[in-house]
Amino acid sequence: GESVGLHLPTLSVQEGDNSIINCAYSNSASDYFIWYKQESGKGPQFIIDIRSNMDKRQGQRVTVLLNKTVKHLSLQIAATQPGDSAVYFCAESFTSGTYKYIFGTGTRLKVLA
Amino acid sequence: GAGVSQSPSNKVTEKGKDVELRCDPISGHTALYWYRQSLGQGLEFLIYFQGNSAPDKSGLPSDRFSAERTGGSVSTLTIQRTQQEDSAVYLCASSLAGQGRGYTFGSGTRLTVV
Repeated sequence: GESVGLHLPTLSVQEGDNSIINCAYSNSASDYFIWYKQESGKGPQFIIDIRSNMDKRQGQRVTVLLNKTVKHLSLQIAATQPGDSAVYFCAESFTSGTYKYIFGTGTRLKVLA
Repeated sequence: GAGVSQSPSNKVTEKGKDVELRCDPISGHTALYWYRQSLGQGLEFLIYFQGNSAPDKSGLPSDRFSAERTGGSVSTLTIQRTQQEDSAVYLCASSLAGQGRGYTFGSGTRLTVV
């Protein structure tokens, strides 16, 4: 969903369920993407990345899917835990390994006990 | 240090005053970045330092904003004549040049202009 004003889109998930967080990126020339997790009062933390020559990459409990046709990125979290509660950002860059990233507005994930 | 350190963690200032925000990057990281995060918004690029190269200042919103990096390590972001719209969290990050796996962020400085 789109953020409006001060309100981040929020995804509420039951503990143990899988979470899917979506991101629409802006530039079809972007070739490198990162997902970040930001807990309250902390800076964003790297979760997983993917290059444009891939459409799927898996990490520990996380999977990133890339659909270049519709400029869409998703983050799947398996067996969501309370510690996964945070704001999740996607970031894109135009040249692999470049320093400048464009960040999305973020999605707040709430894990319900 | 073990991580990126920013100070102060919180700063409240009166409109019109100047503020300085400090960033200590991870030792050995040659690249340093400043981003701004307004409430409920994404991260906005401000400035980038890489080694001895000229910094990329293309994200600085006005000439009231400036930054420097001394000795290739510590960086200071200065905001002159602060305005209420400058209120935000200012995040610093560092990385190894060419690492290509993103940055390591500090915890940020929350600036409130009253």
